[in-house]
Amino acid sequence: QSALTQPPSASGSPGQSVTISCTGTSGDVGRYDYVSWYQQRPDKAPKLLIYEVSQRPSGVPDRFSGSKSGNTASLTVSGLQADDEAEYYCTSYVGSIHFLFGGGTKLTVL
Amino acid sequence: QVQLQESGPGLLKPSQTLSLTCTVSGGSISSAGYYWTWIRQRPGKALEWIGYIHYSGTSYYNPSLRSRMTILVDTSMNQFSLRLTSVTDADTAVYYCARDRSGYSLVDNWGQGTLVTVSS
Repeated sequence: QSALTQPPSASGSPGQSVTISCTGTSGDVGRYDYVSWYQQRPDKAPKLLIYEVSQRPSGVPDRFSGSKSGNTASLTVSGLQADDEAEYYCTSYVGSIHFLFGGGTKLTVL
Repeated sequence: QVQLQESGPGLLKPSQTLSLTCTVSGGSISSAGYYWTWIRQRPGKALEWIGYIHYSGTSYYNPSLRSRMTILVDTSMNQFSLRLTSVTDADTAVYYCARDRSGYSLVDNWGQGTLVTVSS
């Protein structure tokens, strides 16, 4: 199975909103509501931002939101801050207890 | 506050066996509902789900690695482990141990990661 497809880069100015897409197939993103998003800063472990498409763990600001339409999931970061500059990964359950990650999107705050 | 810490050799030769241990502190590995997970990241590349194990011992593996890997749990030591045989340079990566709260990628607690390099 191929990795989920994410744009390699995204950018926005402070205060703006940016949306990162994650495209899979009808067998993974399109079939299951088990899409998660992780933020990873350089040389650090990833941090969970969103699970089950749109749920936020406690402690994650509501500036981070998730959604899904068809085979594409999206992460929106509103009110961009300099601290949001990081790599973002989506992941989806693909059945038979197996998960795929996206290739990652590097978010730059201009 | 539950913490996870990976340990194991950082340098292996091709064809050797990778063995990593994750020690869980600040909480019990036998807590119901958690799946103890291994995820790796090749240098400059994306994350890759390797597999996970429930404290009961039931384990699930990435199909592409299944023939070479084993994940075990030792509840008496509050540890779980990863064993990957016949390593090649493609197995060079930072290996993270982590906790999945639901078994559906709700990975909310991660170790710091340990770099394993495969080189002759």
